[in-house]
Amino acid sequence: GIQVEQSPPDLILQEGANSTLRCNFSDSVNNLQWFHQNPWGQLINLFYIPSGTKQNGRLSATTVATERYSLLYISSSQTTDSGVYFCAGGGNQFYFGTGTSLTVIP
Amino acid sequence: GAVVSQHPSRVICKSGTSVKIECRSLDFQATTMFWYRQFPKKSLMLMATSNEGSKATYEQGVEKDKFLINHASLTLSTLTVTSAHPEDSSFYICSASPWRGPETQYFGPGTRLLVL
Repeated sequence: GIQVEQSPPDLILQEGANSTLRCNFSDSVNNLQWFHQNPWGQLINLFYIPSGTKQNGRLSATTVATERYSLLYISSSQTTDSGVYFCAGGGNQFYFGTGTSLTVIP
Repeated sequence: GAVVSQHPSRVICKSGTSVKIECRSLDFQATTMFWYRQFPKKSLMLMATSNEGSKATYEQGVEKDKFLINHASLTLSTLTVTSAHPEDSSFYICSASPWRGPETQYFGPGTRLLVL
């Protein structure tokens, strides 16, 4: 299967700071999504982004499909942004990354 | 829109019993449903993919006789953990997609299973 590596594995931010999360794929993928898992376990879709750039409020994502990586930008972080961020991608099935655990402190 | 529910949210059972987990798409028809398992502080591992009316496709290493999946309708899939043992304790998450594929899948809130 496809290997999905995320970095950094852990991140602690002061409220208001910006951050960039990265996701590398071992092979080309047709589908790619970013998710946020809140402390209660619920996964929330952030972006479906097999290529290009999308923005939604303080979040934006860019995927460079030819180089098999995707970036998630979080600007002006808030404590509610805390949780684990996963990227996932593949063809007929999704392979999940190892996750980035984000803690935003007031 | 695009709400997926799971029931129960948590269950504790004795070793040797069977547990059924339901996954429902509340406001769309789910052509494909996925079942994942997540260990503490770990990533999600795909267990199986099911398309309505078809047999589920299990990932390598997942025992199909232990984890029975039924996608009986376009809004309901069930996962039955048969003869559960403590090592089956985990967080089980379903997701649903209106298309035959994983793109834009919507996740349920998960079910925490503890087998004593």
